[in-house]
Amino acid sequence: LAKTTQPISMDSYEGQEVNITCSHNNIATNDYITWYQQFPSQGPRFIIQGYKTKVTNEVASLFIPADRKSSTLSLPRVSLSDTAVYYCLVGRSGYSTLTFGKGTMLLVSP
Amino acid sequence: DTAVSQTPKYLVTQMGNDKSIKCEQNLGHDTMYWYKQDSKKFLKIMFSYNNKELIINETVPNRFSPKSPDKAHLNLHINSLELGDSAVYFCASSQEVGGARTDTQYFGPGTRLTVL
Repeated sequence: LAKTTQPISMDSYEGQEVNITCSHNNIATNDYITWYQQFPSQGPRFIIQGYKTKVTNEVASLFIPADRKSSTLSLPRVSLSDTAVYYCLVGRSGYSTLTFGKGTMLLVSP
Repeated sequence: DTAVSQTPKYLVTQMGNDKSIKCEQNLGHDTMYWYKQDSKKFLKIMFSYNNKELIINETVPNRFSPKSPDKAHLNLHINSLELGDSAVYFCASSQEVGGARTDTQYFGPGTRLTVL
């Protein structure tokens, strides 16, 4: 299983763009990169998934360089409600291949 | 409508008791999971299950057992509860896409289990 490394915490202010980088040096050829968000007292929620280059949806963008050894989750113009833990996961389809690391605690202040 | 639901939301019990947590998903998914999130917020997979296969994380004690009465339900039974079982337990489901793509998992709200 590809291990991931993320910053433990990040601070930001409302309206700023936040970039959270995840390292996954031993990512396998068939692995996808997935990000989840978890609010206190709730289950994780899928944000975005990608394989290479750039993926964008209504919530975030995911940037993946050519070597795929890292990825960056970009949250445009964060608000207070974006305060949560963000998990980077690397793996293949279902079952026990999804391993959650420690995540990054993002704190957005006014 | 809630996609993945769990009951109860809170469960407080004594050591040695046997308890169950129920999970239901109305997404039509064919794979369901149980995760444990401890006090340090580490989220670890316990089981994954579909009609074809049960995969058990080898670190899970055999006091824990998943029961699936049908495709939409995966309940978690815990026997002889111990203090270390106190945690938040999350149920999740996904539709296996197949191939190399990672399935998107949909999580329930969690059940906070406290063993006294």
